[in-house]
Amino acid sequence: SAVISQKPSRDICQRGTSLTIQCQVDSQVTMMFWYRQQPGQSLTLIATANQGSEATYESGFVIDKFPISRPNLTFSTLTVSNMSPEDSSIYLCSGLSGVWETQYFGPGTRLLVL
Amino acid sequence: KQEVTQIPAALSVPEGENLVLNCSFTDSAIYNLQWFRQDPGKGLTSLLLIQSSQREQTSGRLNASLDKSSGRSTLYIAASQPGDSATYLCAVRKGQFYFGTGTSLTVIP
Repeated sequence: SAVISQKPSRDICQRGTSLTIQCQVDSQVTMMFWYRQQPGQSLTLIATANQGSEATYESGFVIDKFPISRPNLTFSTLTVSNMSPEDSSIYLCSGLSGVWETQYFGPGTRLLVL
Repeated sequence: KQEVTQIPAALSVPEGENLVLNCSFTDSAIYNLQWFRQDPGKGLTSLLLIQSSQREQTSGRLNASLDKSSGRSTLYIAASQPGDSATYLCAVRKGQFYFGTGTSLTVIP
């Protein structure tokens, strides 16, 4: 299994500012993902974080708004740029580990934008 | 596009009852299916993963089955406990992961 931590666990930010969320895995994972979960909703995939190259973004998400880095196999960051109240959400990172590529999640980052 | 549906959206049962949660998906050509639980304000905890070639997986009081041809999976929880109260999500993998909207379970002491 993989244990994933995220920092910060929560934050309150002002409109127009940016926040970088860190995701650290205790072991190497093959793939890492970033999701958004809005209140009462299921998970929406933002992007796949690729090691050493640009992330692969899903429809509706762009690099200028959500730049992602993954410098190695155990660490990734997601930046939420030029925030607006609509960005208030839980942001979750995950990684695939093991022979069967089980998906493990971090505890999430609760973001409130005022 | 793969669509994943979970029924019921919410379920309330007395402690000790056995229960079944349902997950259905529209495209049967999947790589695997995974069940998670999510406690309020927390991340997702992996419960069981079923490969596309498998029919079921068991862990303790949990048993998950997969019927690819009909696009269905069930999560069976035996002898439910108040600590089982959480939202249960299924996710189907075909390329990326597609998540259902979850079943919110409350087990009443």
